[in-house]
Amino acid sequence: EDQVTQSPEALRLQEGESSSLNCSYTVSGLRGLFWYRQDPGKGPEFLFTLYSAGEEKEKERLKATLTKKESFLHITAPKPEDSATYLCAGGSGYALNFGKGTSLLVTP
Amino acid sequence: DGGITQSPKYLFRKEGQNVTLSCEQNLNHDAMYWYRQDPGQGLRLIYYSQIVNDFQKGDIAEGYSVSREKKESFPLTVTSAQKNPTAFYLCASSGPSGTSGGELFFGEGSRLTVL
Repeated sequence: EDQVTQSPEALRLQEGESSSLNCSYTVSGLRGLFWYRQDPGKGPEFLFTLYSAGEEKEKERLKATLTKKESFLHITAPKPEDSATYLCAGGSGYALNFGKGTSLLVTP
Repeated sequence: DGGITQSPKYLFRKEGQNVTLSCEQNLNHDAMYWYRQDPGQGLRLIYYSQIVNDFQKGDIAEGYSVSREKKESFPLTVTSAQKNPTAFYLCASSGPSGTSGGELFFGEGSRLTVL
């Protein structure tokens, strides 16, 4: 059964304190690993797609990496506006399997 | 601007009533999806449609129904058969099949509460 597991469930950081979020997956024939950001009461916003092990993508303070079994979302020198829930998803076809998310709080 | 519009944003329903959630997109996307989100849970797929007049059940389709009569529209009906309908409902769309169903574009969601 395809599965996507995210850790930690919640993370609290001081502004400027870098860290990483983990997404491990068991998806047969993975055709893409996706990261989304979700603010409270809003729909998820697309961040990155990773297709093959070793691939990396960056956007401002975020960098996503992919290995054969997991993906990391690295947050460098976070700011309070980076506070959100970060969702990871993987799929082998049209349907995506989502993890439960990591709730990130960045305090000033 | 292109995007996905869901309505209503908040909806209250009495037990035993059917309700329909609207989802409209002007992104010219072929595929559309409905997900359900509960606190502490990941998004779970209810139904998806790859093309007009065709749709497939997701993991939790029981108690829900959909239609896809137009490319732009994919309404979801929550029927009285759905045992626990209180949740946050998200509609999404995706572009050409080359995205493999990924790069979903989401609406702002509809929060349904059963009284």
